[in-house]
Amino acid sequence: NAGVTQTPKFRILKIGQSMTLQCTQDMNHNYMYWYRQDPGMGLKLIYYSVGAGITDKGEVPNGYNVSRSTTEDFPLRLELAAPSQTSVYFCASRPGQISNQPQHFGDGTRLSIL
Amino acid sequence: QQQVKQSPQSLIVQKGGISIINCAYENTAFDYFPWYQQFPGKGPALLIAIRPDVSEKKEGRFTISFNKSAKQFSLHIMDSQPGDSATYFCAASRDSGYSTLTFGKGTMLLVSP
Repeated sequence: NAGVTQTPKFRILKIGQSMTLQCTQDMNHNYMYWYRQDPGMGLKLIYYSVGAGITDKGEVPNGYNVSRSTTEDFPLRLELAAPSQTSVYFCASRPGQISNQPQHFGDGTRLSIL
Repeated sequence: QQQVKQSPQSLIVQKGGISIINCAYENTAFDYFPWYQQFPGKGPALLIAIRPDVSEKKEGRFTISFNKSAKQFSLHIMDSQPGDSATYFCAASRDSGYSTLTFGKGTMLLVSP
């Protein structure tokens, strides 16, 4: 059981380039999340999804887009990369609406924009 | 607006000592308070969680203390070990609707041998 898998693990982008961070989970979880983690700043929610075809903005959505066409996959798209998007990105999932179900995190994508 | 404030930012504890990390929240609608542990190069993982209907929850060497009136909760790590060296995040959420977690900024714990 792989859990939450994120690819790539590392990436360097030039300013203005675009890329998609991939996230897939094999636990049949309905809820999925994208966070960014900056040093000393904790985790900030970018977007989340409560099921296929349903997404919503989190705290810091500007500069990002998401889609959820299947239960398993929740890709995060950067259209015009900016230095401020240099960060570690984490994808997470949990079964459903009850909050005491823990979120399961992937191991992150470390992204540098130069 | 920082809804969950965590302190200290970093902490050094000797092996066998007690590590204490504190969090305070503002939103009285929060009713689920988890702690996550993160090792370098890995994603956070749930360590222990509490609801406001109890004042304390213990799992092995890890204890959450909760003070509803003060809107504060803390993590205590008894008999701290070098393997406990990690970053710890407190978080809070509402158990209604499409609840999302609000995280504190994290505490880097180093347990010296």
